[in-house]
Amino acid sequence: LAKTTQPISMDSYEGQEVNITCSHNNIATNDYITWYQQFPSQGPRFIIQGYKTKVTNEVASLFIPADRKSSTLSLPRVSLSDTAVYYCLVGDVPGNQGGKLIFGQGTELSVKP
Amino acid sequence: NAGVTQTPKFQVLKTGQSMTLQCAQDMNHEYMSWYRQDPGMGLRLIHYSVGAGITDQGEVPNGYNVSRSTTEDFPLRLLSAAPSQTSVYFCASSLRADSYEQYFGPGTRLTVT
Repeated sequence: LAKTTQPISMDSYEGQEVNITCSHNNIATNDYITWYQQFPSQGPRFIIQGYKTKVTNEVASLFIPADRKSSTLSLPRVSLSDTAVYYCLVGDVPGNQGGKLIFGQGTELSVKP
Repeated sequence: NAGVTQTPKFQVLKTGQSMTLQCAQDMNHEYMSWYRQDPGMGLRLIHYSVGAGITDQGEVPNGYNVSRSTTEDFPLRLLSAAPSQTSVYFCASSLRADSYEQYFGPGTRLTVT
């Protein structure tokens, strides 16, 4: 299973763009990169998923370089409500050759006014 | 749809007692999983199921049993509770076993004294 490394915490201000980078040097060929968001006292919520290059949805963008050894979650113009823990998951799903979705320790993002 | 529901929300057990944490989903999801979350540890996968009648172990399966007799339900059993099992437990489901987007329940906060 690919191990992930993220910053433990980050601070930002409202209106700024926030980039959270996740390192995964031993990512396997079949592994996808998935990001989740978790608010206090709630279960995690899926944000975005990708395999290579760039993926964008209404919430965030995910940048993955060609070597796939890292990925960056980009949150445009954050607000106070984006204060949460963000998890980077790297792996394959159980439906594909018995993969497992393993969470790392996450990055605690604090957005200030 | 109610989504993923978990009961109870809170539970206090004495060491050695047994109990079952309930998890149900009404989305006809194929994949279901259990995680535990401890301070500073992120989420750790306990057990998962890729369909009715099929279960497998995650990262931290010891002390827990699961079964999946129906698509909707995935109970987690603690056979003999220990203080080390004090944690917040989350159940999650996804449409297929090869889906990366999991939907999480609200969690059960368990304290073992």
